[in-house]
Amino acid sequence: DGGITQSPKYLFRKEGQNVTLSCEQNLNHDAMYWYRQDPGQGLRLIYYSQIVNDFQKGDIAEGYSVSREKKESFPLTVTSAQKNPTAFYLCASNSDSLSNQPQHFGDGTRLSIL
Amino acid sequence: AQSVTQLDSQVPVFEEAPVELRCNYSSSVSVYLFWYVQYPNQGLQLLLKYLSGSTLVKGINGFEAEFNKSQTSFHLRKPSVHISDTAEYFCAVSKSGGSYIPTFGRGTSLIVHP
Repeated sequence: DGGITQSPKYLFRKEGQNVTLSCEQNLNHDAMYWYRQDPGQGLRLIYYSQIVNDFQKGDIAEGYSVSREKKESFPLTVTSAQKNPTAFYLCASNSDSLSNQPQHFGDGTRLSIL
Repeated sequence: AQSVTQLDSQVPVFEEAPVELRCNYSSSVSVYLFWYVQYPNQGLQLLLKYLSGSTLVKGINGFEAEFNKSQTSFHLRKPSVHISDTAEYFCAVSKSGGSYIPTFGRGTSLIVHP
C-alpha cells in the first residue's frame, strides 16, 4: 500500500543539538509539507516543497531547515536555534499543485526536550 | 488570504446521539473545503471534501457536511455517533485556482460518552 512513513515515532533532543525527522512517501506525489501541531493551535506550516530541489518557508520556518534531494524524501531538521521544539510534527503530501487535491499525512513524530 | 474558524474547541456527546461540528471560513474567492479526522498519536485522515457540485457531501464513517456559501460555513454532521468517533476533527480550506496550501482550523475535540 502507498503511504507516508515518518520516523522515528518518538524523538528526544538535548540542549544545543540538531535532530532530523524523516519523511518518505511512495505515492509519487510532487508536493510535500511539514506541519507542527501544538495542543489547541491546529496545524502550522513549517516548510513545503512543490518539486525536487525546491522548497519554500511556511509560517513558522525559523529554527528549522529542510532538503528535497529526492521526490520521495523530505527530511526536516530541528536546529538548536528552535528554542521551543517540543511538539508533534506531521509530514504530508499531495499529488500536484492543484488546490483541490487533499493532503495525505504520515503518523507523525513526537519531539521532546531532554 | 483565507481563514478558518472552528467554533467549538470541544464537543461532548453521548453515544448514539447526533452531532454537529461547526466550521466557518472567510475568503474573497471560491474555495475548496475539507474535513479531516485525527485519532490519538496518528496523522490526519480525509473524511470528506467539497470541490464543486452538490452542496451536501457524504464522507466515510457515516459523516456528511453541507456547504453553505451564503453563510460561509461547512458544518460536519453525523446522525448517530459511536465511541470510536472520539477524535480531533479539523476543517481546512484552500483557494480555488490559487495557492494550493490549505489553511487549517484549530480543531474540535469530539468526545463520545457511553
